[in-house]
Amino acid sequence: GEDVEQSLFLSVREGDSSVINCTYTDSSSTYLYWYKQEPGAGLQLLTYIFSNMDMKQDQRLTVLLNKKDKHLSLRIADTQTGDSAIYFCAESPSGNTPLVFGKGTRLSVIA
Amino acid sequence: DAGVIQSPRHEVTEMGQEVTLRCKPISGHNSLFWYRQTMMRGLELLIYFNNNVPIDDSGMPEDRFSAKMPNASFSTLKIQPSEPRDSAVYFCASSFSYTQYFGPGTRLTVL
Repeated sequence: GEDVEQSLFLSVREGDSSVINCTYTDSSSTYLYWYKQEPGAGLQLLTYIFSNMDMKQDQRLTVLLNKKDKHLSLRIADTQTGDSAIYFCAESPSGNTPLVFGKGTRLSVIA
Repeated sequence: DAGVIQSPRHEVTEMGQEVTLRCKPISGHNSLFWYRQTMMRGLELLIYFNNNVPIDDSGMPEDRFSAKMPNASFSTLKIQPSEPRDSAVYFCASSFSYTQYFGPGTRLTVL
């Protein structure tokens, strides 16, 4: 079945860039997402990318997709303490279908 | 828009009791998803609906779990009888096309 893998922890200094990586196995994944979860809160959709794209930039966020290697990354520029959270990678073969999530990467930002 | 609304936000109950979780999707969204989040298993799909019709309930753990969507603006997830292993955060999400928006979740504790 589908599987999404992420490293569990990442620690960066305030002001540095953070790069969170994700790999997936389903070659039919058409939509790939990044969600952010703060303690005690729901999942906030940060950004998404279609499989026919290589890169998407949205303010401080840059998503890179290597479809050949089934590798997705999220780069956060100028990381702030408010970026400390768990970041989930998710994939879906088509719209309006369930998401398959990774286990999440806990980002800690050190002041 | 108010976003996806879930109630209650927290529920503490005793083993054997019936628990009902409620969800109001974003107006105009035609798909609704119930996910469960635990430390051990991460985020898992329980069931999802398209246009109020259940499409895939293969993630529902067992017959103790049931879900309904009587109309486009309301869904319930019921556990009867509840067990301690059902303790988790239950999320409802809704979508119109390829982006899912999550509610704040219901934290369920079964003693």
